[in-house]
Amino acid sequence: KAGVTQTPRYLIKTRGQQVTLSCSPISGHRSVSWYQQTPGQGLQFLFEYFSETQRNKGNFPGRFSGRQFSNSRSEMNVSTLELGDSALYLCASSLMDDTEAFFGQGTRLTVV
Amino acid sequence: GENVEQHPSTLSVQEGDSAVIKCTYSDSASNYFPWYKQELGKGPQLIIDIRSNVGEKKDQRIAVTLNKTAKHFSLHITETQPEDSAVYFCAPTLKIIQGAQKLVFGQGTRLTINP
Repeated sequence: KAGVTQTPRYLIKTRGQQVTLSCSPISGHRSVSWYQQTPGQGLQFLFEYFSETQRNKGNFPGRFSGRQFSNSRSEMNVSTLELGDSALYLCASSLMDDTEAFFGQGTRLTVV
Repeated sequence: GENVEQHPSTLSVQEGDSAVIKCTYSDSASNYFPWYKQELGKGPQLIIDIRSNVGEKKDQRIAVTLNKTAKHFSLHITETQPEDSAVYFCAPTLKIIQGAQKLVFGQGTRLTINP
């Protein structure tokens, strides 16, 4: 059974640009969550999608957005990139609301 | 919101010895208490979890103990091995049916096993 797949693994962007990251959950999982990981702030929740609906959002500016498709695949978008957006972006999927979350390997975003 | 504190932030033990990491949380409604292990270049991986109706759970060399009254739970690793070297995170959570998945992580503990 394939795990959570995130693409691309590494990305370098310039300040002011926008970026889209992709996450394919484990087959059958309908909940997809996104997290930002930085050395200073640790692992922080961005948002969660279930059946194409955003159910919860963390404390991030509106430049961070996401969506989920009917096949449960999810994308997150960051517009007007800032240097501080450099981080490891992690996606997690869950089968049901009260079951464990499985994480992908993440996308390492560097903003220069 | 949930406040989570994890101690210690770094831990170095000799191979074969035991390691204990403690996680303190603020939300008394939390009912799910997982520990994640993150190796270099990888995403966090669940290694053990416990639900609020259980006080202790063990899986080979790894155990988790929960004290709901005091609002803390701990990760215990016995007979440590070099491959246990990683960063460990706790993430106390309220998990309910039809509830949004949202993990609030501790700051992490970097565990180093010295050969």
